[in-house]
Amino acid sequence: QVQLQESGPGLVKPSQTLSLTCTVSGASISRGGYYWSWIRQRPGRGLEWIGYIYNTWSTHYNPSLKSRVTISADTSKNQFSLNLSSVTAADTAVYYCARDDGSIGHWGDLNYWGQGTLVTVSS
Amino acid sequence: EIVLTQSPGTLSLSPGERATLSCRASQSVTSTFLGWYQQKPGQAPRLLIYGASSRATGIPDKFSGSWSGTDFTLNISRLEPEDFAVYYCQHYGNSPALTFGGGTKVEIK
Repeated sequence: QVQLQESGPGLVKPSQTLSLTCTVSGASISRGGYYWSWIRQRPGRGLEWIGYIYNTWSTHYNPSLKSRVTISADTSKNQFSLNLSSVTAADTAVYYCARDDGSIGHWGDLNYWGQGTLVTVSS
Repeated sequence: EIVLTQSPGTLSLSPGERATLSCRASQSVTSTFLGWYQQKPGQAPRLLIYGASSRATGIPDKFSGSWSGTDFTLNISRLEPEDFAVYYCQHYGNSPALTFGGGTKVEIK
């Protein structure tokens, strides 16, 4: 049973860097063939894909956030992380980590999700 | 950039009725990479349909997906109380690689 759990500060000051971690159980992020994504949902709005990490080192980001986003993996802890720099109030959102089921070419079919964590950007 | 437009924004129906949700893509997309998700308050989204018409594991057959050209449809037959939620379509494969529609809320009439 694959489980994902987000963690990190619930409050971040404007201009600082938002840092979140997704801890994975029931699967190894070292095992290739899976895409580990971050998605966010701003209050009262829809879902926005942030980016993914694949095979622990290959990344791809949403162009609208690319200049501020870094996704990385820590295989020793079986975690992957999101860093979003220079945050503003517009980055206040629930942040989710998610994963596909490994079907070749179907990286965007997100079968597994964390419960989400609310991050508020405020001074 | 592909834009997915969902309609209606809100659908008010009674339990037992059939729901028809629409998702229109702004340009030609590959149906293979079109999915539908259900989201209930306070919960993460759940994958219902992938490849425009295939049900994800454990999803009952009251949920069905279809498409014609750039128009994609999610049907929910015989609405039950647990089906009242927000539904999102999603496509991936083109810049920005993965996009979601704005969502349709199915509420109890």
